[in-house]
Amino acid sequence: EAGVTQFPSHSVIEKGQTVTLRCDPISGHDNLYWYRRVMGKEIKFLLHFVKESKQDESGMPNNRFLAERTGGTYSTLKVQPAELEDSGVYFCASSQGRGAGGNTIYFGEGSWLTVV
Amino acid sequence: AQSVTQLDSQVPVFEEAPVELRCNYSSSVSVYLFWYVQYPNQGLQLLLKYLSGSTLVESINGFEAEFNKSQTSFHLRKPSVHISDTAEYFCAVKGAAGNKLTFGGGTRVLVKP
Repeated sequence: EAGVTQFPSHSVIEKGQTVTLRCDPISGHDNLYWYRRVMGKEIKFLLHFVKESKQDESGMPNNRFLAERTGGTYSTLKVQPAELEDSGVYFCASSQGRGAGGNTIYFGEGSWLTVV
Repeated sequence: AQSVTQLDSQVPVFEEAPVELRCNYSSSVSVYLFWYVQYPNQGLQLLLKYLSGSTLVESINGFEAEFNKSQTSFHLRKPSVHISDTAEYFCAVKGAAGNKLTFGGGTRVLVKP
């Protein structure tokens, strides 16, 4: 069974440009999450989808970030325009089931973003 | 809201020696506890988790962690490390009624021959 896959694995863009990160969750997982880790900091929650609906977007840093999950399958995270402080690793994750619980959250390998 | 503190950012250890990675958390609600590991150039992988029941949980590769409610801790231990255990280890909590993980800052373990 394929795990959570993310694309691209690495991206280097100039300040002011746009980048779109893509995540394909594990098949059948309704829950999809985005997290990020900027240099030297903790891994921080960005948002949570249940199918195509945004359940919790309290971690989104500002309106330069836009996440979508069309049809409840894959998700994209767009950063427009990118700033230097957006550099870091963006992790996507998914889990089964609705609601809370101890369901394991599976992570992808991350998309490394460098803004220069 | 929850918070997680990993007291050691780096832990150098010799091969076959024991290692302990400390994790303390704070939360006003019941939590589930997790340890994730990130090997070089790989993503985050679940190492072990505590949901309920026995406070001592084990992984398939020899790690164990003990939930201590009174001390709000979930320390990770391995009695004898291998070179292949070199990685960054993250402690995380999730509220029993919530969905998002809160991570600690991570502990880099470097196993030396």
